[in-house]
Amino acid sequence: QQQVKQSPQSLIVQKGGISIINCAYENTAFDYFPWYQQFPGKGPALLIAIRPDVSEKKEGRFTISFNKSAKQFSLHIMDSQPGDSATYFCAASTGGYQKVTFGTGTKLQVIP
Amino acid sequence: DSGVTQTPKHLITATGQRVTLRCSPRSGDLSVYWYQQSLDQGLQFLIQYYNGEERAKGNILERFSAQQFPDLHSELNLSSLELGDSALYFCASSLAAGGYTGELFFGEGSRLTVL
Repeated sequence: QQQVKQSPQSLIVQKGGISIINCAYENTAFDYFPWYQQFPGKGPALLIAIRPDVSEKKEGRFTISFNKSAKQFSLHIMDSQPGDSATYFCAASTGGYQKVTFGTGTKLQVIP
Repeated sequence: DSGVTQTPKHLITATGQRVTLRCSPRSGDLSVYWYQQSLDQGLQFLIQYYNGEERAKGNILERFSAQQFPDLHSELNLSSLELGDSALYFCASSLAAGGYTGELFFGEGSRLTVL
């Protein structure tokens, strides 16, 4: 019940295209859904996050769509750029002492 | 720069040996988390400490142990090392529940190679 399932495992998108990564969860106690971006040789860093009281959050080219009834959320990267090439992790957590569960990661490659 | 410091950055050792990885959290953060990331794998949660106390345990092997000290830095001890322990070990920190933002701040990791 603590799992967060992420797909696809890898993704190749042409420059200017839309990258879409999907995640699903089971635990309805999760109340915070962040996405982390990790470049090679670096630690993950928070990219964007959403709480379940909203269905969409947009920051620049990055948008999270959240479907509470389906227990699914997704990351859309509009106008994808080569600099977006990285591994993306979805995650989910509960309040209190912040147990964070990560998805398995999606390796995104944006080709020119 | 996340403000989380991990040492050493790289470590090469032999099977059967013991190593200690160190983490200094961001100033003011009370929670420390340890994650293991194997080649092309996701982030496996190992253990979490909050203000010196163990708060949550994940898939941490019995050969591994951790602690958080009064100055809030944390150490992850890996013993009787096996080839399969070769991985990138990340430390992350976050605020206490009272200042919960949900964000984890990750260090740059300690890359352990067991030969």
